Amino acid sequence: DAGITQSPRHKVTETGTPVTLRCHQTENHRYMYWYRQDPGHGLRLIHYSYGVKDTDKGEVSDGYSVSRSKTEDFLLTLESATSSQTSVYFCAISSGIQETQYFGPGTRLLVL
Amino acid sequence: QKEVEQNSGPLSVPEGAIASLNCTYSDRGSQSFFWYRQYSGKSPELIMFIYSNGDKEDGRFTAQLNKASQYVSLLIRDSQPSDSATYLCAAEGQGETSYDKVIFGPGTSLSVIP
Repeated sequence: DAGITQSPRHKVTETGTPVTLRCHQTENHRYMYWYRQDPGHGLRLIHYSYGVKDTDKGEVSDGYSVSRSKTEDFLLTLESATSSQTSVYFCAISSGIQETQYFGPGTRLLVL
Repeated sequence: QKEVEQNSGPLSVPEGAIASLNCTYSDRGSQSFFWYRQYSGKSPELIMFIYSNGDKEDGRFTAQLNKASQYVSLLIRDSQPSDSATYLCAAEGQGETSYDKVIFGPGTSLSVIP
């Protein structure tokens, strides 16, 4: 398995609170991604990173921000969580932008 | 926006039968295609990738690509109950936006009945 971990694996929070999810890789891959997965929508890209401090928006970036200060870590922040952000969040990594993506174990987030 | 479409299923097949999963894509410039398997509550894992027209075989799995028809399929021979999962098709995109780079379909749920 690709060396990707996500933390926390489960989180319950209240509307309006900030939440930060962490993705950590040991593969030294350049590209890192954050997706959310919801029934009926499949995987939707939130943000991705193509290097340290280099990030770009995805399809559903509103309400989310990211940071990458080290190659191995990619953080996803919900500045003020809403119930619509209840989802399963997956981190992925790849060596190239159109190469195979390897996924982390996921984080289940429930916003009450 | 570029799209990848799959029948959501569920697709049910008896154990030992061939399961056929289909995927169409809208970006005619797409060159690479990926099939992922996702067990319930787990993360997607890569099964196969294909970028040449024709068939690519790996054990019980065969990926088929027809670029003229913009069609990709995954055949699973001698289906086993352990193959029961959701299968995600993904296509490399040629768009200018970040989320056109690799586009995932919604997935097809497969159930193999013992």
